[in-house]
Formats: sequence, structure tokens, C-alpha cells
Amino acid sequence: NAGVTQTPKFQVLKTGQSMTLQCAQDMNHEYMSWYRQDPGMGLRLIHYSVGAGITDQGEVPNGYNVSRSTTEDFPLRLLSAAPSQTSVYFCASSYGHQYQETQYFGPGTRLLVL
Amino acid sequence: TQLLEQSPQFLSIQEGENLTVYCNSSSVFSSLQWYRQEPGEGPVLLVTVVTGGEVKKLKRLTFQFGDARKDSSLHITAAQPGDTGLYLCAGLYGNKLVFGAGTILRVKS
Repeated sequence: NAGVTQTPKFQVLKTGQSMTLQCAQDMNHEYMSWYRQDPGMGLRLIHYSVGAGITDQGEVPNGYNVSRSTTEDFPLRLLSAAPSQTSVYFCASSYGHQYQETQYFGPGTRLLVL
Repeated sequence: TQLLEQSPQFLSIQEGENLTVYCNSSSVFSSLQWYRQEPGEGPVLLVTVVTGGEVKKLKRLTFQFGDARKDSSLHITAAQPGDTGLYLCAGLYGNKLVFGAGTILRVKS
């Protein structure tokens, strides 16, 4: 198993540009989520999905869109990039969303918005 | 304001010393998890504590869940340079897994 994969690893955008961060998992996990990590802030939940076709907002959803058309893929779209979205983005998945589930994280995408 | 407050934010100690990291909240959690993250990588789960008052040991690491299920601690005995990293606590809040800001641990040899 490849686990959770994320592409790209690095990206530089100009303010106003749009892009999609890709996330895929091959573990047949139902629960997937996106976090951003900023210094001193830990991981903050952007959006999550409890299964194909179902998504919901996390703590910091503004400026981001998601969709979940398949169990494997959970892309994160930045509609109009802003410097405040400079961050490291992590995708995670788990078998379910129950309290005992282990979250498996991808290696992260480092985004710089100029 | 974060749902989970971690302290200290940063800890720099010598090899062989003991340390404790705290994770506190005003909310009750059904469970708490501890993750460790190394630079350039995603977090990796260390342990999940479920029952109030529960203590779990993982080699030199001891995890405790408070009786009221609002707080947790991570104690490392005889720290080693390989323990260096970012330690994060996380709790399930409804369907959302929320994280504390983390404790950066540096163990010097």
C-alpha cells in the first residue's frame, strides 16, 4: 500500500491564482480530512469527509472547496489564493471517524502564495 | 482560542532528563490521541487513551488521561536525542478531530 499520497510537494502561487491540491489513499478509508499547519498554531481542520459524496466544514474552511466523488480521492481547491493561505497542508485518512481510529497522514504540500 | 491547550510550547533538555507535556481543555473528550511529527513529515500516532484515569506506557513514554476526560499528559523518562520532534495532542469533537498547537521537544546529547 502507498498509504496517503499528496501532490504536489511544493507549490508557489501568485495572489489570485487557483489550484487544486491532490490527496489519494489506497486503504479503502471512509474518513478523509484536510489540515493546514502554521507555526505555533498546530493543525487546523479545513474540511473533512465521512464518505464518498459527503463533505463538511472544519475550523478554517473559508477560501477552500472540497469534493469527494470517490472513496480514494479528496482534492482541496484554492479558489483565489491569498498570502494568508501560505502554509503546509496535510491530508489524512482513517477507516472511520470513531474515537479509536488512527489518522494516517500524507507527507504534506508546502504552499507559498506571493 | 484553541479547544486543546498544550504546554509548554517549547522544551529543550539534555539527554537523560525527564519531561512532561500537558494537554488541557475545558471540554470533555471521548478520547484523546498523541501524535509525534518529525520535520518534513506528517504526524504519526503514538497512542489513543479512552477511559478517564487511563494510563498507557510505550517504552519510555507514559500517557495519562484525566479522570474527567478533559486533560492528558505525556511523560518521557530518560529522554534521548531520537525523541526530538513536535508532539501533538488531538481530541474528537463531534465528527472533527481537533489538534493542540503542539510542543516542540529538543533533546541535546
